[in-house]
Amino acid sequence: DAMVIQNPRYQVTQFGKPVTLSCSQTLNHNVMYWYQQKSSQAPKLLFHYYDKDFNNEADTPDNFQSRRPNTSFCFLDIRSPGLGDAAMYLCATSILGGAQYFGPGTRLTVL
Amino acid sequence: AQSVSQHNHHVILSEAASLELGCNYSYGGTVNLFWYVQYPGQHLQLLLKYFSGDPLVKGIKGFEAEFIKSKFSFNLRKPSVQWSDTAEYFCAVNGRFAYNTDKLIFGTGTRLQVFP
Repeated sequence: DAMVIQNPRYQVTQFGKPVTLSCSQTLNHNVMYWYQQKSSQAPKLLFHYYDKDFNNEADTPDNFQSRRPNTSFCFLDIRSPGLGDAAMYLCATSILGGAQYFGPGTRLTVL
Repeated sequence: AQSVSQHNHHVILSEAASLELGCNYSYGGTVNLFWYVQYPGQHLQLLLKYFSGDPLVKGIKGFEAEFIKSKFSFNLRKPSVQWSDTAEYFCAVNGRFAYNTDKLIFGTGTRLQVFP
């Protein structure tokens, strides 16, 4: 019954080594979101897709990119991870105007 | 700018105590309102939501929230908390900022600790 799936659940990478996080959904929602959440903080929106329309937050670093090849999948690429990028990365989906449903997250560690 | 304020950053209660967590938002247009809960080590889960209609909304696990439009508030309540309610609670507002986008504005969260 998993609805929003994120892989991997834990990712360890080295400083500067590119990493890709994936998200898939079985809800057929047209909006998909990527958030960064650091310890004891609210999730911070990085970007979102409405269908194939990409919406980047103004303060999202260029180091973060995203791809949505189809309705079900969305990827987060971190081109050159720094120590400050260590965080939990959350994927969420919604229909337009509806509640967002979150995946379990990928915890990224940068060594 | 749109914002959500949660005034209680850390709440400590004993089991069976009543709970009320405050949430105020700043947004002039039509809003949808949400409470999300994040149990230790788990992902964000939708606790309840308000889109329209009865301003008193009932959610899962005995939680409820009341939308008071005149006060721009959406406070979360539970008459009797349990140890298992220990979690981080986030209030969020969804407003239409552009033709085809919806963004959740989150509050900073309230950490609830319930002791047996």
